[in-house]
Amino acid sequence: GAGVSQSPSNKVTEKGKDVELRCDPISGHTALYWYRQSLGQGLEFLIYFQGNSAPDKSGLPSDRFSAERTGGSVSTLTIQRTQQEDSAVYLCASSLASNEMYEQYFGPGTRLTVT
Amino acid sequence: GQQLNQSPQSMFIQEGEDVSMNCTSSSIFNTWLWYKQDPGEGPVLLIALYKAGELTSNGRLTAQFGITRKDSFLNISASIPSDVGIYFCAGQLRTSGSRLTFGEGTQLTVNP
Repeated sequence: GAGVSQSPSNKVTEKGKDVELRCDPISGHTALYWYRQSLGQGLEFLIYFQGNSAPDKSGLPSDRFSAERTGGSVSTLTIQRTQQEDSAVYLCASSLASNEMYEQYFGPGTRLTVT
Repeated sequence: GQQLNQSPQSMFIQEGEDVSMNCTSSSIFNTWLWYKQDPGEGPVLLIALYKAGELTSNGRLTAQFGITRKDSFLNISASIPSDVGIYFCAGQLRTSGSRLTFGEGTQLTVNP
């Protein structure tokens, strides 16, 4: 079946502009996660959605970052007033998160470059 | 937050050699997962471990869930050039719901 998809695959934006990154999770997966990965670094947790529960926003680095998940499916990560340090690959993952099965499946990522 | 210490940070090996990497923590994990990330791609799940002491294989890959629940290792036997990439461990804490904690990654280079 279809995996996690993300769009756009690459985004170049000017400092100060807002950007929206989209994630389509695997159908039926109730949990959705956003991570940030700087060049050569590990995965930095940003936010996660689990069903209808309030999202865990504890990883968002500043109030310029926000995310929504509409209808329990597609998610959008928004970065307002982008800064050069926001340049990174933004990865989305989804999981069933049920029956104690915690495998997360990742999309290909969106490479964001802020000039 | 919780920390996973992954080592080594990088490895340079010859094709055909075996390689081992591990993750340790001071916390107890319920689940251990191992991922591989190729350049320009998202991480791909290799092996999932759910029980302390569990040893699981996937082709040339073998991973174990440490008996103390605080560590895990991944072995790759008879390495080939396509094994090149970054390997990440990830653990799930009982108190963290479905959220995973990731190690910093091991960069593997295989010389033909």
